[in-house]
Amino acid sequence: QSALTQPASVSGSPGQSITISCTGTSSDVGGYNLVSWYQQEPGKGPKLMIYEVSKRPSGVSNRFSGSKSGNTASLTISGLQAEDEADYYCCSYAGSITHVVFGGGTKLTVL
Amino acid sequence: EVQLVESGGGLVQPGDSLRLSCVASGFTFSSHSMNWVRQAPGRGLEWISFISTGSGNKYYSDSVKGRFSISRDNAKNSLYLQMNSLRVEDTAVYFCVRDPIWRSLDYFDYWGQGTLVTVSS
Repeated sequence: QSALTQPASVSGSPGQSITISCTGTSSDVGGYNLVSWYQQEPGKGPKLMIYEVSKRPSGVSNRFSGSKSGNTASLTISGLQAEDEADYYCCSYAGSITHVVFGGGTKLTVL
Repeated sequence: EVQLVESGGGLVQPGDSLRLSCVASGFTFSSHSMNWVRQAPGRGLEWISFISTGSGNKYYSDSVKGRFSISRDNAKNSLYLQMNSLRVEDTAVYFCVRDPIWRSLDYFDYWGQGTLVTVSS
């Protein structure tokens, strides 16, 4: 059982927007502005999409955005494209004992 | 181009040992903390170990503490994971993962493709 809770799956049609939630506690998501999101395609290593809650690395489309409210972080993908179909994982720093926790992952299907 | 290439995975029996390696290229390896993250078949990601740039700080998840050991050789641009007393539940793809420069465990900016470790009798 993962420390952070994500929906197992979400889906949307091309052009639509979807949001993936990531719920933790005050010891991880709520305690630090160190939530990150990763995209993983089948058979590949994950790719960083969002860091420090809402920052985008160079080269990541501005269709991807992140936010946080309390103990829940969110990843929003606008203008869905077929190439966005993948698994998405949230991650949070969790202090000097636990260090890092991940969500269980969300499978995004573009209909 | 940043590259992280893992090797050393394979099929082993419970109780066996295995050493994973990760060779880094395309960046100054000695300036980045590094990690191992694993993913059991069909499951999510699990952070298991961290090592600082000069090897002075090493952290482990509870699931591997006392059995696994992380190390690095900055002269060889290489990261290692010594895995002892392997269990069936250690079966996973193991990823070599980079921290951004001057950061530790805040987020992970590059991942390797992974190497599969299967523990089965």
